[in-house]
Amino acid sequence: QSALTQPASVSGSPGQSITISCTGTSSDVGGYNYVSWYQQHPGKAPKLMIYDVRNRPSGVSNRFSGSKSGNTASLTISGLQAEDEADYYCSSYTSTSTLDVLFGGGTKLTVL
Amino acid sequence: QVQLQESGPGLVKPSETLSLTCTVSGASTSSSYWSWIRQPPGKGLEWIGCIYYSVSTNYNPSLKSRITISIDMSKNQFSLNMSSVTAADTAVYYCARRRGGYDWYFDLWGRGNLVTVSS
Repeated sequence: QSALTQPASVSGSPGQSITISCTGTSSDVGGYNYVSWYQQHPGKAPKLMIYDVRNRPSGVSNRFSGSKSGNTASLTISGLQAEDEADYYCSSYTSTSTLDVLFGGGTKLTVL
Repeated sequence: QVQLQESGPGLVKPSETLSLTCTVSGASTSSSYWSWIRQPPGKGLEWIGCIYYSVSTNYNPSLKSRITISIDMSKNQFSLNMSSVTAADTAVYYCARRRGGYDWYFDLWGRGNLVTVSS
């Protein structure tokens, strides 16, 4: 099963907003509201930032928001801060495999 | 506060079996879905498999022939065994929690255990 498609890298200046896309199919991203996003700093474990497309876990800044249109989900980070520089991974439930979830290939966010 | 901690060897020889254990504190392994996820150096995340209440397991089809996930609820631990390892299995192995049947996300992760496959 192919991974979800994410851009390899995005960048933005402090205070700006950026959006990371995550493209799948109607059997995963497009067919279910089970998209999640993870932030991973170097040498650290992934941290859940968004679940079920747009929900934030307790403690996650409201600068992080999620959305979905068709087969593409998006993570938007507003008011970029230096600490947001990290790798971001999307994930989705999939109905076409016995896999629990599919992951995206990851996007490196650089804060300029 | 719920915490997960992986333990196991950092070096495994080719063709041997990789064995890792995840110890859960602050929550019971008798509920939730307990998963293993790995990340090769410099690469993305790959879901390996999960176990629920010792009666149900689900494995990545690409790894299914080589892996077994088990649980010891008396010790609040779950484990991963992966046989016939090769250099391609070199990765950081994470244990993680998926809270419920329709919660298709991982809300808690261990710190990770780097396993290198080399002679």
